[in-house]
Amino acid sequence: GAVVSQHPSWVICKSGTSVKIECRSLDFQATTMFWYRQFPKQSLMLMATSNEGSKATYEQGVEKDKFLINHASLTLSTLTVTSAHPEDSSFYICSAALNEQFFGPGTRLTVL
Amino acid sequence: GNSVTQMEGPVTLSEEAFLTINCTYTATGYPSLFWYVQYPGEGLQLLLKATKADDKGSNKGFEATYRKETTSFHLEKGSVQVSDSAVYFCALSNSISSNTGKLIFGQGTTLQVKP
Repeated sequence: GAVVSQHPSWVICKSGTSVKIECRSLDFQATTMFWYRQFPKQSLMLMATSNEGSKATYEQGVEKDKFLINHASLTLSTLTVTSAHPEDSSFYICSAALNEQFFGPGTRLTVL
Repeated sequence: GNSVTQMEGPVTLSEEAFLTINCTYTATGYPSLFWYVQYPGEGLQLLLKATKADDKGSNKGFEATYRKETTSFHLEKGSVQVSDSAVYFCALSNSISSNTGKLIFGQGTTLQVKP
């Protein structure tokens, strides 16, 4: 089946620093990737839709200057959390679209 | 707006027990409905889906029927195994396939199956 990886799987950073999370489709090309955020015991919330070669489309309430998304190739999308604060601590999940969405294993971000 | 509500977990069952995880939805139009499963340390995987009323999705012994009259898509399995222990997410989309449409998820239900 189609495989999507995320790196890193977990990261701890200091408040005010920026963190980059990578999402890769390992065995297929994906023109569209999605970024989700999941709080403990809550559902996945779509943050943005990332299309290769164009600007990402952000969901209402998601700050595009805070969560920078780059989809420079058909197999890689990155999410950069800029000037991270403790409230940004969460589980971030990406998916890549083929005939369906294939999900990565997620990245746990902890901001101290 | 569209939303999905799942029964709260965790659900703990003995091996070979019958499983039901309730899912109800609120949506405009005629959404497609999905069940995803997340095994420990892995990404969400599509378990089954149904795209119109009265459709039954099935896979790996799991079934769910799209009930428009009760706006439900309950997940069932007749005999669970320890390997079924995972988190199960119900989701909906206004697209037939999940690759293009926005997915709206329930909060997930943890299933623990004991030998």
